[in-house]
Amino acid sequence: GQSLEQPSEVTAVEGAIVQINCTYQTSGFYGLSWYQQHDGGAPTFLSYNALDGLEETGRFSSFLSRSDSYGYLLLQELQMKDSASYFCAVRQGNKLVFGAGTILRVKS
Amino acid sequence: DAGVTQSPTHLIKTRGQQVTLRCSPKSGHDTVSWYQQALGQGPQFIFQYYEEEERQRGNFPDRFSGHQFPNYSSELNVNALLLGDSALYLCASRIAGALDTQYFGPGTRLTVL
Repeated sequence: GQSLEQPSEVTAVEGAIVQINCTYQTSGFYGLSWYQQHDGGAPTFLSYNALDGLEETGRFSSFLSRSDSYGYLLLQELQMKDSASYFCAVRQGNKLVFGAGTILRVKS
Repeated sequence: DAGVTQSPTHLIKTRGQQVTLRCSPKSGHDTVSWYQQALGQGPQFIFQYYEEEERQRGNFPDRFSGHQFPNYSSELNVNALLLGDSALYLCASRIAGALDTQYFGPGTRLTVL
């Protein structure tokens, strides 16, 4: 089976940098995805890492280490609108298996 | 370009009733998955449809069934509703070959009383 661990909550101030970690256990690994979900909204795809290393998309970056079964999402220049839940996910066959999510609270 | 749409937005039912939720995938997408998201949890995979057939199923009882139509839209049916079925039901679509990028709809909030 698959299991993913991520912190339940992270708090940071506007303009800061925050890192959300994700460790996974999986019987077959294709890559690690990250999704953002605002309260009452749809999960939105942020990034996908299949290979080791850092992928950067604007203020967001995602990192993967396959040997450590570990990845993280890095958010820079935090804005109030970044307050949301962030989920890491792995693929098992045709389905995505999600972590329980990390609530990010951005304070002014 | 319309994204994934779902209807209805909210629904209130009582125990034992049946419910049908609907999803229209993003334009150009042919694969639809359904997820259940309980409060404070990540989405849990229910099943996926491609070419009008169920391709994979998660750990959900037979009370949960679905259908995909020739236009790729999909329905999720839940029979004999239980209080524990109260959740946000999300539909996600993708192109068949793009296994790792899914586009989610806004969800249907189901409350079972």
